[in-house]
Amino acid sequence: KQEVTQIPAALSVPEGENLVLNCSFTDSAIYNLQWFRQDPGKGLTSLLLIQSSQREQTSGRLNASLDKSSGRSTLYIAASQPGDSATYLCAVKRGGSYIPTFGRGTSLIVHP
Amino acid sequence: GAGVSQSPSNKVTEKGKDVELRCDPISGHTALYWYRQSLGQGLEFLIYFQGNSAPDKSGLPSDRFSAERTGGSVSTLTIQRTQQEDSAVYLCASSPQLGGANVLTFGAGSRLTVL
Repeated sequence: KQEVTQIPAALSVPEGENLVLNCSFTDSAIYNLQWFRQDPGKGLTSLLLIQSSQREQTSGRLNASLDKSSGRSTLYIAASQPGDSATYLCAVKRGGSYIPTFGRGTSLIVHP
Repeated sequence: GAGVSQSPSNKVTEKGKDVELRCDPISGHTALYWYRQSLGQGLEFLIYFQGNSAPDKSGLPSDRFSAERTGGSVSTLTIQRTQQEDSAVYLCASSPQLGGANVLTFGAGSRLTVL
């Protein structure tokens, strides 16, 4: 069974900092990994999807990397802004399964 | 439609009543998922549908929960004889197909409160 862990559970940083969010998974035979953000009281918004054959994906100030052998993905946020405050979740789709498994998320606060 | 639409956005019900939650996926998306998010918990998989294939119901927590998808589009999640522990946000997601590099798109969720 795939288990997904996100560390830290919560993070508070001043505006402008570069930061890294971590996602670990137990089964390296993954199909893809997707990062989402969730604003309070809202659904999930997709940020980046990395296929198992890829090492990283970039979108604006966001960069997600994938290291299957170590069972890790990181989401790098450059020059953080207060608008980045949200909960960030990763979801791993294991090979042979069509059910993404979610971590519990990292709650990020970027203060001015 | 432009996105995944869920209704109602909020539902308050009394213990023992039945509730229906609706999900209208993005047009053309063949895969549809239901997840549940309880306070302080991660997303818990409930059920998924792919086209006209039999759904995977492996995540449904009890036989009080059921779901159907009519015409390969709109889906309804039904909870019978609701209990207080059913209180959660129920999230629906769709994707163009089940596998591949297909991004999951979520709706805003239906918040269920069982008194």
